[in-house]
Amino acid sequence: DAGVIQSPRHEVTEMGQEVTLRCKPISGHNSLFWYRQTMMRGLELLIYFNNNVPIDDSGMPEDRFSAKMPNASFSTLKIQPSEPRDSAVYFCASSLWTGVGQPQHFGDGTRLSIL
Amino acid sequence: EDQVTQSPEALRLQEGESSSLNCSYTVSGLRGLFWYRQDPGKGPEFLFTLYSAGEEKEKERLKATLTKKESFLHITAPKPEDSATYLCAVHLQGGSEKLVFGKGMKLTVNP
Repeated sequence: DAGVIQSPRHEVTEMGQEVTLRCKPISGHNSLFWYRQTMMRGLELLIYFNNNVPIDDSGMPEDRFSAKMPNASFSTLKIQPSEPRDSAVYFCASSLWTGVGQPQHFGDGTRLSIL
Repeated sequence: EDQVTQSPEALRLQEGESSSLNCSYTVSGLRGLFWYRQDPGKGPEFLFTLYSAGEEKEKERLKATLTKKESFLHITAPKPEDSATYLCAVHLQGGSEKLVFGKGMKLTVNP
């Protein structure tokens, strides 16, 4: 079975540019999560969706960050304008939410570098 | 504030030298605790879920246990391929699906 697919795997861009990260969750999963991982802060939840609806975006750092999930098989995380402090690895994860303790399955991430 | 703390931050073992990793948590209510393994350049890979104190789960050389305040990941006779970063995460009481992750523990097993 295909796992969570993220693209691009690496992104290097200059400060001020728009960055779009993409995610395809596991087929049949109804929840999707965006995380950011840094050495200093570890793995932090940015936002999650259930049945394509944003449920908790309290981890989104600023208005420069936005996420969408137009259908069950696709989500984007956009940063506009990007800043050097946004450099991190961004992970997408999905799960089949049944009410209790289902594991989240992660993609291999997008390594983002803002110069 | 809900907190998850992993110790030690890094651990070096010789092949065959058993040890334990600790994950302690201070949360308002626990619905479940998850262990993940992360290899360099990869996303976290799910290992175990534990739901209640006293529960144990095993997979090959790994065994996870849970008490009311902490979880241990016991590694028996580790091999070099067990080298990775191990993350624990807690699922809190309430309707949210949010997981709170510890910062991870980097394990290196030397041949």
